[in-house]
Amino acid sequence: EIVMTQSPATLSVSPGERATLSCRASQSVRSNLAWYQQKPGQAPRLLIYGASTRATGIPARFSGSGSGTEFTLTISSLQSEDFAVYYCQHYNSWPLTFGQGTKVEIK
Amino acid sequence: EVLLLESGGGLVQPGGSLRLSCATSGFSFSSYAMSWVRQAPEKGLEWVSTIRGSDDSTYYADSVKGRFTISRDHSKNTLYLQINSLGAEDTAIYYCAKAISVWSLSFDYWGQGTLVTVSS
Repeated sequence: EIVMTQSPATLSVSPGERATLSCRASQSVRSNLAWYQQKPGQAPRLLIYGASTRATGIPARFSGSGSGTEFTLTISSLQSEDFAVYYCQHYNSWPLTFGQGTKVEIK
Repeated sequence: EVLLLESGGGLVQPGGSLRLSCATSGFSFSSYAMSWVRQAPEKGLEWVSTIRGSDDSTYYADSVKGRFTISRDHSKNTLYLQINSLGAEDTAIYYCAKAISVWSLSFDYWGQGTLVTVSS
């Protein structure tokens, strides 16, 4: 099983600032990596797939990078609606696994 | 518009069973892999199972293998999850999710979830 490790667990950021979230895979997942956003009481929302492709309707301030074992989600200028929990997920092999999440909170 | 609507959750005693359903519309159901993902209270996301669109092959997390069965009814555009031998560790919101494409098992549409509570 590929273990996905996200850091930090919590990120405190002021509105308008840049946020950088990390996701590390215990072995290579190539570019088979997705990022999701989840707000309280809501289902997750796909942000990025293929490590760097924005899903339909996702604002350009969200960007993904990386391949292999190291991945980054960057939010260039945090808006109020971006404060949420973010998960990475690999889909390179079975079983699919998620990271434990990074909570982005208001500083 | 793509819609996924889960049902079938509820309170069940340890050792009990439930069948979850996910009614879908707005896309070619038979063409896409469909999955179940669960989230225990105040915890992260856990992939549970996937059924492929191409050949209905199925895949399970080790934590549910032998107890859960995923299936789909192409005529009803509905996904199912039969869950047996439930334990407290199965208490969670169960989401159904659609794969974004035939080659990517990232999930672009999710249902609102159905809550399964295992308790005596």
